[in-house]
Amino acid sequence: DGGITQSPKYLFRKEGQNVTLSCEQNLNHDAMYWYRQDPGQGLRLIYYSQIVNDFQKGDIAEGYSVSREKKESFPLTVTSAQKNPTAFYLCASSIRRLAAASTDTQYFGPGTRLTVL
Amino acid sequence: DAKTTQPPSMDCAEGRAANLPCNHSTISGNEYVYWYRQIHSQGPQYIIHGLKNNETNEMASLIITEDRKSSTLILPHATLRDTAVYYCIVRVPYNFNKFYFGSGTKLNVKP
Repeated sequence: DGGITQSPKYLFRKEGQNVTLSCEQNLNHDAMYWYRQDPGQGLRLIYYSQIVNDFQKGDIAEGYSVSREKKESFPLTVTSAQKNPTAFYLCASSIRRLAAASTDTQYFGPGTRLTVL
Repeated sequence: DAKTTQPPSMDCAEGRAANLPCNHSTISGNEYVYWYRQIHSQGPQYIIHGLKNNETNEMASLIITEDRKSSTLILPHATLRDTAVYYCIVRVPYNFNKFYFGSGTKLNVKP
């Protein structure tokens, strides 16, 4: 089945530790995204990548880093510089522009819930 | 991108149609209306999108007013599994950093 996988589903980390969240897609999508969701809130964009070896900061990139070495993979590292990392993290992907009339529907993974102890 | 306004919550009886409204009075001509839903502790699920014509798929129907200032998502026969937060988003396609999910509408489907 085509889709987006995120691992692990639950992640616990001690303060001061870096942690990497995995996101893999087999939809052959060029663009990938990372969002953060806090309880009762909407999604906020952390980073996005339109193509391999390129990525851009979103609205809340401080304390996070990403890499895009392969089309299928877009891992997110939550660094010790992120002051309040406990949250639900969502990865998404979409196609790039194919034609003027097309749209870029984003498809989401199941999410990783990160808790800092 | 245009802002959207949705009621914070709605109730619907199981088997009845659920009509979820969204106001986007400042929408511009090239902005699409997207609907997603999020079941508790899962990733958002794409439902439907449209520009100005009404749209229907296997999940739902999207009715956009002629002036495009508001829209309604219709779930024709709601089930308990449709209980979720529903998000209405307006945006220009391929503005990669402009996909804003607000607080949405919590739909409670009751037996």
